[in-house]
Amino acid sequence: GQNIDQPTEMTATEGAIVQINCTYQTSGFNGLFWYQQHAGEAPTFLSYNVLDGLEEKGRFSSFLSRSKGYSYLLLKELQMKDSASYLCAVGAGNNRKLIWGLGTSLAVNP
Amino acid sequence: GAVVSQHPSWVICKSGTSVKIECRSLDFQATTMFWYRQFPKQSLMLMATSNEGSKATYEQGVEKDKFLINHASLTLSTLTVTSAHPEDSSFYICSAKAQTETYNSPLHFGNGTRLTVT
Repeated sequence: GQNIDQPTEMTATEGAIVQINCTYQTSGFNGLFWYQQHAGEAPTFLSYNVLDGLEEKGRFSSFLSRSKGYSYLLLKELQMKDSASYLCAVGAGNNRKLIWGLGTSLAVNP
Repeated sequence: GAVVSQHPSWVICKSGTSVKIECRSLDFQATTMFWYRQFPKQSLMLMATSNEGSKATYEQGVEKDKFLINHASLTLSTLTVTSAHPEDSSFYICSAKAQTETYNSPLHFGNGTRLTVT
């Protein structure tokens, strides 16, 4: 079956670093996306990984290990506005459909 | 670029009535549109995929006669929730993909529609 696991909730302090993990078990793999979603809003794209390694984009970085079925999103220099839900999604199957995780709700405290 | 407009942002309707939600691609031609539903503190659940000019493909468990999807043009897709009931209350989000985009292109999302059925 298709399965994506993420922690449900995380808490961090403003200015700190936080790592949000995502593990997946899917039939086929066509890349992994991270999206950010503020309450009541649509998701916004953060990153895409299809090869192993780290992709850095400003304060956000995303890592992928295909052999381990594992990815993480690293957020540095946390700001209050980073409080949101972070969704991990994997492209899988012959139709390359996106399989979505349940999301990790991150609360950034002052 | 790649702006998707979804309307209305929120709607309240009475049980038994129908509600239409529109999803428009403003600056590109969307050959494929996806309709998602999201319950509180849950992830996105894909309801159906629609390609311009053809019938939508519904996910397992989604009633096609209840959730009518029309994708008659390259810039507009509509989702009609027919005979809505309180359990249909949810956040509905559309996303679109242009013909030139590949499977690894990020999705362009609308801002979502909060449906409340009383």
